[in-house]
Amino acid sequence: DGGITQSPKYLFRKEGQNVTLSCEQNLNHDAMYWYRQDPGQGLRLIYYSQIVNDFQKGDIAEGYSVSREKKESFPLTVTSAQKNPTAFYLCASQSSGTAQAEAFFGQGTRLTVV
Amino acid sequence: AQSVTQLDSQVPVFEEAPVELRCNYSSSVSVYLFWYVQYPNQGLQLLLKYLSGSTLVKGINGFEAEFNKSQTSFHLRKPSVHISDTAEYFCAVSDRITGFQKLVFGTGTRLLVSP
Repeated sequence: DGGITQSPKYLFRKEGQNVTLSCEQNLNHDAMYWYRQDPGQGLRLIYYSQIVNDFQKGDIAEGYSVSREKKESFPLTVTSAQKNPTAFYLCASQSSGTAQAEAFFGQGTRLTVV
Repeated sequence: AQSVTQLDSQVPVFEEAPVELRCNYSSSVSVYLFWYVQYPNQGLQLLLKYLSGSTLVKGINGFEAEFNKSQTSFHLRKPSVHISDTAEYFCAVSDRITGFQKLVFGTGTRLLVSP
């Protein structure tokens, strides 16, 4: 089945640690996105990539990093510089970076700092 | 820059009753409009979208929305809800130039359907 897979579903991080969230898609989509979701705040764009080996910062990129070495993979690293990383993280992909193309979302990763 | 306002954070409704979830947007350019649904601890699923043409848009699961340019609104409606419609609903907007990467979401409306 085609789709987007995020792993792990739940992740716990200690203060000062970097963690990496995985996002893999087998839809052959060019564009991929990372969003952060906090209660009462909707979704905010962290990073996006429209092509392999290229990515751009979204609205809240500070404390995060990404890579796009393969078309199907877009991992997100939450670094120790991110002061409040506890949130629900959603990955999305789209066949192209235009609004007409439907975006497909993964099931999310819930990150908690302990 | 665009912005989206979802006027109700929570909407309680009884099963089989009609429901309307309100969404207003602001933008200085022409926009595309979307409604997404999110079930607990899940990703988002597209319900419907307005790109152009007819202002009444029909989506999945019996939902529809009407684009009203003069009132800058895109309210979501369903004539008869089911328990399974209990979820969070997000309105989103993007302008016709920058596309999806500048998709701006509202803060969400939680629909609570009770028997």
